[in-house]
Amino acid sequence: AQRVTQPEKLLSVFKGAPVELKCNYSYSGSPELFWYVQYSRQRLQLLLRHISRESIKGFTADLNKGETSFHLKKPFAQEEDSAMYYCALKPNFGNEKLTFGTGTRLTIIP
Amino acid sequence: NAGVTQTPKFQVLKTGQSMTLQCAQDMNHEYMSWYRQDPGMGLRLIHYSVGAGITDQGEVPNGYNVSRSTTEDFPLRLLSAAPSQTSVYFCASSHKSGRRNTEAFFGQGTRLTVV
Repeated sequence: AQRVTQPEKLLSVFKGAPVELKCNYSYSGSPELFWYVQYSRQRLQLLLRHISRESIKGFTADLNKGETSFHLKKPFAQEEDSAMYYCALKPNFGNEKLTFGTGTRLTIIP
Repeated sequence: NAGVTQTPKFQVLKTGQSMTLQCAQDMNHEYMSWYRQDPGMGLRLIHYSVGAGITDQGEVPNGYNVSRSTTEDFPLRLLSAAPSQTSVYFCASSHKSGRRNTEAFFGQGTRLTVV
C-alpha cells in the first residue's frame, strides 16, 4: 500500500528564514512525487514534481530514495508562502491512485 | 479553458437526504477522482476512475457512489447523507501514468454541511 507522511501539521517560520517541510513515503515500486499548495481561498495547485527537477517560487524538493523522503525547501521564506502544503505520491504505472499526506500549514511571521 | 468545474460550491443537507456533486473537466483527462478534506486528515480518496465506464473505490468509499459515463463528467452521489459526511469535497483530473504530464488539476471545492 502507498502512504505519505507529513509529520508537521503546523509550521511557523520568520520571514527571511529557511523553510523545510518534511515528507516521507512508503511504496514498494518507483513512485512519482509531488508537492501541491493551497493558498487561502484558492484551489489546490501543483507546486512542483520530482521528475521536472525545477525550482518553483524558490522552492525545491529532492527525492531521496534511500530515506524515502521528498522534503520541500526554500532558503528564504516570504510572507506570500503562507499556505497549506500537501505532499502526494502516484505510482509510475499500474495503480493510478494519487495519495496525499495530511498536509502542513505553513505560516510566515513578518 | 475552464479546467475542472465543480458544482455547487456550498450545500446544506438534512440527515437522510441524497444529492449529487457535479464535476466536469474539459482537458480530455483519463483519470478523475473525488477527495474529501477534513481538518488534520488531509485529502482522502473517495472514488476514482481511469476512463469512461471504469470506476474504483478509494480509501473512504462508504456512503458514496460514482459513475463515469463520459470522459468529461464524474458525479459523486451521496445516497443518504450523514453528519459524518460534513466536509469539503474536491474533484481532480489528470492524464494517466505514462503521459508526459500527470499533474492533477482540482476543482474549487464543495463545502457540504449535513445537519
